[in-house]
Amino acid sequence: QVQLVESGGGVVQPGRSLRLSCAASGFTFRNYDMHWVRQAPGKGLEWVSLIWFDRSRIYYVDSVKGRFTISRDNSKNTLYLQMNNLRVEDTAVYYCARAATTVTEYFDYWGQGTRVTVSS
Amino acid sequence: EIVMTQSPATLSVSPGERATLSCRASQSVSINLAWYQQKPGQAPRLLIYGASTRATGIPARFSGSGSGTEFTLTISTLQSEDFAIYYCQQYNNWPPLTFGGGTKVEIK
Repeated sequence: QVQLVESGGGVVQPGRSLRLSCAASGFTFRNYDMHWVRQAPGKGLEWVSLIWFDRSRIYYVDSVKGRFTISRDNSKNTLYLQMNNLRVEDTAVYYCARAATTVTEYFDYWGQGTRVTVSS
Repeated sequence: EIVMTQSPATLSVSPGERATLSCRASQSVSINLAWYQQKPGQAPRLLIYGASTRATGIPARFSGSGSGTEFTLTISTLQSEDFAIYYCQQYNNWPPLTFGGGTKVEIK
């Protein structure tokens, strides 16, 4: 069965960095676009970033451009999110999610999430 | 950026009743619209894609309709496990992919 397991969250001070990972199993990871979606405490869902199956295309929401970097290692079935210069407003649960197909970017599987708290 | 607006913010419904949730897009998204269910402490779960196609394993009491800018999620007979927050998401025009603010379905 499809499994997505995030890790790497924690408490960090503003301006510091954190790297999230998402380990995928139960499907052919290299064939699927992957996303990061976040949810601030008590708030709705916000899409953060997308990387195509072959890493040829990468997209970000404006608020994280220049600070976050999405990447993937298809040999390790793992998705990453490098988060630099973190801000208080980046505090959220971060989910990795699989796109159902390339271009039809809705999310058919989600991980359980990893919590990131940015606080001084 | 396409703005997705859901209404109402909270819907109070008795078990066994019908629930109708609305989602409006600021411009046409064709039928490239998905619905998700999220329960407290859990990840979202895909319910509907393509505006009206149920995802694998989703009960028939969930149905989606609409196209363009107006969409509806209907839960025909609410079960206890259906009380949750529901989000719509457009994937027609991106980046960014955008979600609605959510509708909380609570027990009346």
